[in-house]
Amino acid sequence: GAGVSQTPSNKVTEKGKYVELRCDPISGHTALYWYRQSLGQGPEFLIYFQGTGAADDSGLPNDRFFAVRPEGSVSTLKIQRTERGDSAVYLCASSFRPFTDTQYFGPGTRLTVL
Amino acid sequence: DQQVKQNSPSLSVQEGRISILNCDYTNSMFDYFLWYKKYPAEGPTFLISISSIKDKNEDGRFTVFLNKSAKHLSLHIVPSQPGDSAVYFCAASPVSGGYNKLIFGAGTRLAVHP
Repeated sequence: GAGVSQTPSNKVTEKGKYVELRCDPISGHTALYWYRQSLGQGPEFLIYFQGTGAADDSGLPNDRFFAVRPEGSVSTLKIQRTERGDSAVYLCASSFRPFTDTQYFGPGTRLTVL
Repeated sequence: DQQVKQNSPSLSVQEGRISILNCDYTNSMFDYFLWYKKYPAEGPTFLISISSIKDKNEDGRFTVFLNKSAKHLSLHIVPSQPGDSAVYFCAASPVSGGYNKLIFGAGTRLAVHP
């Protein structure tokens, strides 16, 4: 069956621009997570959705970052006024239920801010 | 501060021998622990988990040991195979959050050579 998909796989942008990163979770998964992985580090939690609502956005680094999941399926991570320090791999994961169920990760979007 | 630490950035093991990957944590509220494996250009893949009520969990060639008093867990792979070569991430989660907000270590790159 289809796994978690993320588009684009690579995104190069200039400092100050706006970007959107998309995540398609596994069908039927109610929980969706965004993580960010910087070079040489493990994934770092950004935000968790249960259904359409952001249940925990405590990992978002600042107000330039925002995420939505309007219909409880596809999610979009939005970054305004990108900075070079935003360069990282952005990973999306989904699970059938929020706890005890395995999180399945997508391949990630590599964002490069020049 | 790093709540989950993998102090060995890399490990090299001969095929057929045992691989032991270590992980330390500092937050006593963590009570669910996982290991993920990551190949280049792919998202992390769940490998094995352990709840704090156990001290050992086994799945085929993979065994995870948890020492709560030492706040230490380890992943044993026996026998190691070349296909096991990947980056291994240790992750931890507090139950109190009600969902799997995973806190990852920085990873250990395992190389299994013939």
